[in-house]
Amino acid sequence: EIVLTQSPGTLPLSPGERATLSCRASQSVSSNYLAWYQQKPGQAPRLLIYGASSRATGIPDRFSGSGSGTDFTLTISGLEPEDFAVYFCQQYGTSPFTFGPGTKVDV
Amino acid sequence: EVQLVESGGGLVQPGGSLRLSCAASGFAFSRYAMSWVRQAPGKGLEWVSSITDSGGNTYSADSLKGRFTISRDNSKSTLFLQMNSLRAEDTAIYYCAKGANSGWPYFFDYWGQGTLVTVSS
Repeated sequence: EIVLTQSPGTLPLSPGERATLSCRASQSVSSNYLAWYQQKPGQAPRLLIYGASSRATGIPDRFSGSGSGTDFTLTISGLEPEDFAVYFCQQYGTSPFTFGPGTKVDV
Repeated sequence: EVQLVESGGGLVQPGGSLRLSCAASGFAFSRYAMSWVRQAPGKGLEWVSSITDSGGNTYSADSLKGRFTISRDNSKSTLFLQMNSLRAEDTAIYYCAKGANSGWPYFFDYWGQGTLVTVSS
């Protein structure tokens, strides 16, 4: 099973600042099949990024994904008030399809 | 508009069974893989099971040890999860999630609002 580790656990930032979230895999993620999701309290997750760097439909371009192999990054360039949430990474290249524990972007 | 509406959750005793349903609309259900993902209260996300568009292939987390079975009825645009021998650690919100493809690879572009399953005596 591929274990995903996300850092930091909590990221205290202010609106307008840049957020850099890390996701590290215990082994190489096949075909860079790595997705990022955003979840707000009481809501279902929302797909942001798939294939490590492709933005999902309707996702603003302030969200970007990068990385390959075992190290991946989600960057939010200029936080908007609605971006304060928990972010999960997921690898879907190898079953079981595992998620990271999440990073909370906090004010 | 894609809509996924889960139902069937509730309180069940340890060792009991539940069948979750997910009614889908707004897309060609029979053309896409579907999955269940769960989230224990205050915890992270855990993939449970996936099924290909035709239902011909299924994949499940090894940790479930065959207790859960995913299935679908394409004629009714409905996804199911049969859960048997339930344990306290199965307590979670269960989300129905649409795959972006007919099968592999399994990432999830739309999610339902979830149904809460509580396993307790």
